[in-house]
Amino acid sequence: GQNIDQPTEMTATEGAIVQINCTYQTSGFNGLFWYQQHAGEAPTFLSYNVLDGLEEKGRFSSFLSRSKGYSYLLLKELQMKDSASYLCAVRDGSGNTPLVFGKGTRLSVIA
Amino acid sequence: DAGVTQSPTHLIKTRGQHVTLRCSPISGHKSVSWYQQVLGQGPQFIFQYYEKEERGRGNFPDRFSARQFPNYSSELNVNALLLGDSALYLCASSLPGGFPDTQYFGPGTRLTVL
Repeated sequence: GQNIDQPTEMTATEGAIVQINCTYQTSGFNGLFWYQQHAGEAPTFLSYNVLDGLEEKGRFSSFLSRSKGYSYLLLKELQMKDSASYLCAVRDGSGNTPLVFGKGTRLSVIA
Repeated sequence: DAGVTQSPTHLIKTRGQHVTLRCSPISGHKSVSWYQQVLGQGPQFIFQYYEKEERGRGNFPDRFSARQFPNYSSELNVNALLLGDSALYLCASSLPGGFPDTQYFGPGTRLTVL
């Protein structure tokens, strides 16, 4: 079966760093995506990992360990606008197969 | 460039009715996928279409159907609506063959079934 786990909620302070973890057990693996979703809006693409290691994009970084079935999204210099849900999604087949999503982590950034 | 567009934005129906949701992909994208997102959950895959052919189907009943048109736009149809069909329906488009074949989501249609 397919299983993707993320913490349900997290709270962090403005200006701080927060790490959102994701563990997955899927029948196959062809990449892991992180999306940001503000309440009532569509998910927007943040990052993609297919090889082990860290991918950095401005204030956002994402890490992948395929042997451990583990990823994290690191958000630095938190801003109030970063309050949103963060979705971890795995592509479990080759090519353009659909994504399998976790339930999302709701991040609240407080002053 | 315009992103993925969906219509309508919101919809209220009663049990037993039928609904049609529409999606226009990003220009040049040939693949469209539909997802259902229930409040507090992640999106769940319903259908994927590429070049007007169904390429994948999630674990949804036959009341759900979809199609893709020659201009790559797509419709999702749901018959005999149930209360449990109330959700945000997301359409995502992608450009197969690109790297990493990222799916880009539209704003969604919020369906409420009373």
